[in-house]
Amino acid sequence: NAGVTQTPKFQVLKTGQSMTLQCAQDMNHNSMYWYRQDPGMGLRLIYYSASEGTTDKGEVPNGYNVSRLNKREFSLRLESAAPSQTSVYFCASSEARESYEQYFGPGTRLTVT
Amino acid sequence: ILNVEQSPQSLHVQEGDSTNFTCSFPSSNFYALHWYRWETAKSPEALFVMTLNGDEKKKGRISATLNTKEGYSYLYIKGSQPEDSATYLCARGANNLFFGTGTRLTVIP
Repeated sequence: NAGVTQTPKFQVLKTGQSMTLQCAQDMNHNSMYWYRQDPGMGLRLIYYSASEGTTDKGEVPNGYNVSRLNKREFSLRLESAAPSQTSVYFCASSEARESYEQYFGPGTRLTVT
Repeated sequence: ILNVEQSPQSLHVQEGDSTNFTCSFPSSNFYALHWYRWETAKSPEALFVMTLNGDEKKKGRISATLNTKEGYSYLYIKGSQPEDSATYLCARGANNLFFGTGTRLTVIP
């Protein structure tokens, strides 16, 4: 099993450009998540999908959109990138119940100039 | 916002020493407390998920306790080894996790 995979690993965007970060999991998990990691701050939840067909805002959703394409895939889109969105983005997945740990992907390092 | 605070922010210990860190969180509306281990250049890996007051969990030399009434959890590492060097994160919540900023542990050989 590959676990949670993310593409791309690195990306540089200019302000105003758009892009989609891809995430897939092969563990048959119901829930998937997008986080961002910034220096000096904890992981912050952007959006999550508790099950296929549902999405909910997390702590920092502004400037992002998500799509739960199917049970395996959960994408994060930046419509008009801003320098404040320079960050490392992690995707994660888990079983539906809150007591289950989350499994993280390798991360995407995004720089917006 | 459900603030999760971790202390200390960082520490250095000698190989063989035992150590512990603290995670503090608001005790109201508690669902679960997660501990993750995050090595440099890797992804966070789950250590424990605890849901009940008084829970204690153990994995090898690492153990954790939970007090939901007073809003804290301790992570203990017995006989630290260089491979234990990592950032240890705690998080509180259900699907919507709120993470602390972590404790960075360096074990000196």
